[in-house]
Amino acid sequence: GAVVSQHPSRVICKSGTSVKIECRSLDFQATTMFWYRQFPKQSLMLMATSNEGSKATYEQGVEKDKFLINHASLTLSTLTVTSAHPEDSSFYICSATTGTGNTGELFFGEGSRLTVL
Amino acid sequence: QKEVEQNSGPLSVPEGAIASLNCTYSDRVSQSFFWYRQYSGKSPELIMSIYSNGDKEDGRFTAQLNKASQYVSLLIRDSQPSDSATYLCAVRTGGFKTIFGAGTRLFVKA
Repeated sequence: GAVVSQHPSRVICKSGTSVKIECRSLDFQATTMFWYRQFPKQSLMLMATSNEGSKATYEQGVEKDKFLINHASLTLSTLTVTSAHPEDSSFYICSATTGTGNTGELFFGEGSRLTVL
Repeated sequence: QKEVEQNSGPLSVPEGAIASLNCTYSDRVSQSFFWYRQYSGKSPELIMSIYSNGDKEDGRFTAQLNKASQYVSLLIRDSQPSDSATYLCAVRTGGFKTIFGAGTRLFVKA
């Protein structure tokens, strides 16, 4: 399968600071990437769809000013959690698809575990 | 009604048995269906994808799809302790978004 790399894998920060998470497609070009969040013992919740060269599309209830997404190239998308608070502590996972339309399989990065003190 | 529903389990089976995991979905126009495995603290990994009604086999795994019933399942034959994980059913909706079920926890007892 396709390789998606995510960095950092773990980050601990103080409340009020901002944290940037990078997601890279290593062996393919990803026009679209997806950002998910997963709380303990819960499923993946789609936060936003990241489109190369355009604004991200956010799911209902996700604050676009708090979770800044930039997809500047076909292989890199970044998620910045601004002014992080303890309730933002979660497992953030990016994914990308090699396909278009309704057939593309999602390949996931390793995930980034954010802990906000 | 949730878009993708799974029994949270846990489902416990003895080693060597068949594990059967089920999933239903609400969006009738969905065309793509996936099963992912997730170990604790790790990100999901793709096991199977299925797009047409019927069965699709890959090694010990068989995915079954019935679009009329809006039902998709995963069978794991000859279950091994290493298969113990949470299995996520995912559906790509008509809006090009992939929605995940809550997952079923599977325990395979040695």
